[in-house]
Amino acid sequence: DTAVSQTPKYLVTQMGNDKSIKCEQNLGHDTMYWYKQDSKKFLKIMFSYNNKELIINETVPNRFSPKSPDKAHLNLHINSLELGDSAVYFCASSQVSRDTEAFFGQGTRLTVV
Amino acid sequence: DQQVKQNSPSLSVQEGRISILNCDYTNSMFDYFLWYKKYPAEGPTFLISISSIKDKNEDGRFTVFLNKSAKHLSLHIVPSQPGDSAVYFCAAREGQTGANNLFFGTGTRLTVIP
Repeated sequence: DTAVSQTPKYLVTQMGNDKSIKCEQNLGHDTMYWYKQDSKKFLKIMFSYNNKELIINETVPNRFSPKSPDKAHLNLHINSLELGDSAVYFCASSQVSRDTEAFFGQGTRLTVV
Repeated sequence: DQQVKQNSPSLSVQEGRISILNCDYTNSMFDYFLWYKKYPAEGPTFLISISSIKDKNEDGRFTVFLNKSAKHLSLHIVPSQPGDSAVYFCAAREGQTGANNLFFGTGTRLTVIP
């Protein structure tokens, strides 16, 4: 039973398209995140959501928008895709109120052609 | 500006010996540190953590040491096993952000040679 699941695992799309990546967690956590791992393997926070509120929004282009329909889901929408958006995107969740680890999904490899 | 650094991109160790992975950080506001292990085509999986109020945490074959004055932590794996071969990421949390946002190093690829 997967704790954090994201779909699709692979996504190939053309420049200029709009795409979404879905994420769901069944751990009952109150905070969800999106991380991006670029070509240099640098894993960096993009967004975090706590109880449906965006609490940190790192300096990412506004073409990226997180959408949280409920506490168990945090989807990532990307508009007008660019070549530089090609990366692996990881969803994660955690319970923010105590020292605890974040659980990660398997990642979505996005390739923009 | 990278606040968490792993200066060794790779490490090879003989099976049964000790693996030592190092990590340095620059932000004195970090209050919680974690090590994650990652296999290809999978997400990072949590391995071990340590709070900034401690200097050592041990879990089976894995021990994490924290030297706050040097802003340095290390992960010791004893004895190393071939199944430990993976990329290891050091991560740190800034306590005052109100979230568990993690800042990651770039990883160290550990290869345990049978």
